[in-house]
Amino acid sequence: AQKITQTQPGMFVQEKEAVTLDCTYDTSDPSYGLFWYKQPSSGEMIFLIYQGSYDQQNATEGRYSLNFQKARKSANLVISASQLGDSAMYFCAMRRDNYGQNFVFGPGTRLSVLP
Amino acid sequence: DVKVTQSSRYLVKRTGEKVFLECVQDMDHENMFWYRQDPGLGLRLIYFSYDVKMKEKGDIPEGYSVSREKKERFSLILESASTNQTSMYLCASSLVETSNQPQHFGDGTRLSIL
Repeated sequence: AQKITQTQPGMFVQEKEAVTLDCTYDTSDPSYGLFWYKQPSSGEMIFLIYQGSYDQQNATEGRYSLNFQKARKSANLVISASQLGDSAMYFCAMRRDNYGQNFVFGPGTRLSVLP
Repeated sequence: DVKVTQSSRYLVKRTGEKVFLECVQDMDHENMFWYRQDPGLGLRLIYFSYDVKMKEKGDIPEGYSVSREKKERFSLILESASTNQTSMYLCASSLVETSNQPQHFGDGTRLSIL
């Protein structure tokens, strides 16, 4: 069964510094997609970035980048130049292509940005 | 922008009540999903649907049912609410050919069962 592991329940980072949030996944499917979401305290889930299993390059979206290491089955999110508004829960998710294209989520990492 | 609307942000019900959580999306998405979110467990899939009147069980369907009478609306039903169903419930939708497209979420319903 597919599974997402996020080993950091909580992280602290100083404002303007970079931070890496870890995500490892387990799947036997050759085709899959990896997503990162941000959930502020207000509760909405905000899509941040996507990486496909066949993508040759690491995904980037503004201050967000994904360090994709396929052989190690890891897809770590890197946030550069942290801002106070980055304080939130962050979830790594994998699309299950052989199970109706729905997602399996990790337990999340709570990021706190310090002024 | 895709808009997924959940009928209530906060809901308090009593044990044994029948509870309806409503979700509406405005982007003609084929897929709709219901998750519950609990601390330390992330989001867990309850039910999903690919089309009208169609439903599939997710990872934790026990104690829940769903209804999809119209494409834009997906309802989650707690037939007889219990205290262990106190949780945050999130609805999501997506296109059928998702590839690199994310699921779009509503703002969530915080449900308390007393």
